[in-house]
Amino acid sequence: KQEVTQIPAALSVPEGENLVLNCSFTDSAIYNLQWFRQDPGKGLTSLLLIQSSQREQTSGRLNASLDKSSGRSTLYIAASQPGDSATYLCAAGYLSGYSTLTFGKGTMLLVSP
Amino acid sequence: GAVVSQHPSRVICKSGTSVKIECRSLDFQATTMFWYRQFPKQSLMLMATSNEGSKATYEQGVEKDKFLINHASLTLSTLTVTSAHPEDSSFYICSARDLRGGGPKYEQYFGPGTRLTVT
Repeated sequence: KQEVTQIPAALSVPEGENLVLNCSFTDSAIYNLQWFRQDPGKGLTSLLLIQSSQREQTSGRLNASLDKSSGRSTLYIAASQPGDSATYLCAAGYLSGYSTLTFGKGTMLLVSP
Repeated sequence: GAVVSQHPSRVICKSGTSVKIECRSLDFQATTMFWYRQFPKQSLMLMATSNEGSKATYEQGVEKDKFLINHASLTLSTLTVTSAHPEDSSFYICSARDLRGGGPKYEQYFGPGTRLTVT
């Protein structure tokens, strides 16, 4: 059974800090890996999608890396802002069946002013 | 592009009644739609996958007679929670995928979710 683990479960940092969120997956035969943001009571906002052939993707202050061999992905957030406060979910995409996503439980980030 | 909507965003119903949740792809045709459930502080759990015009495939442990899924068109899928009970209270999120173009292959686009509360 594919499992996705995110560490830490919660993180609190002061504004301006650079931070790293970690995601690990047990089955390295992933097709892609996505990072999402979820605000309380809301749906998912896709942040970055990394195909299995890629090693990283960047969007603004966000950088996501993928290491299939070690079963890990990281999301780097530079110069954090209070508006970055949210839960960050990673999801590993697999091609078995209908190409499903397996989600981690998320990291709840709080950036204080 | 690639916008998915859900309706309603919130619903409260009494135990024993049925509730229908709609998921629509607004600017693309969704060959496949997925339904997820999320309990507080938990990850999204896939409930079922549906392809347009065919029966849904349910994940292990999900009762297909309780969670009825219909994907009658390329832009609409519905989830009906039948005879709802308080333990069905959860956040239900749908996603849609278009394999025929528009965005990276196999990317899923998510709806905003529906908060179901059964009293």
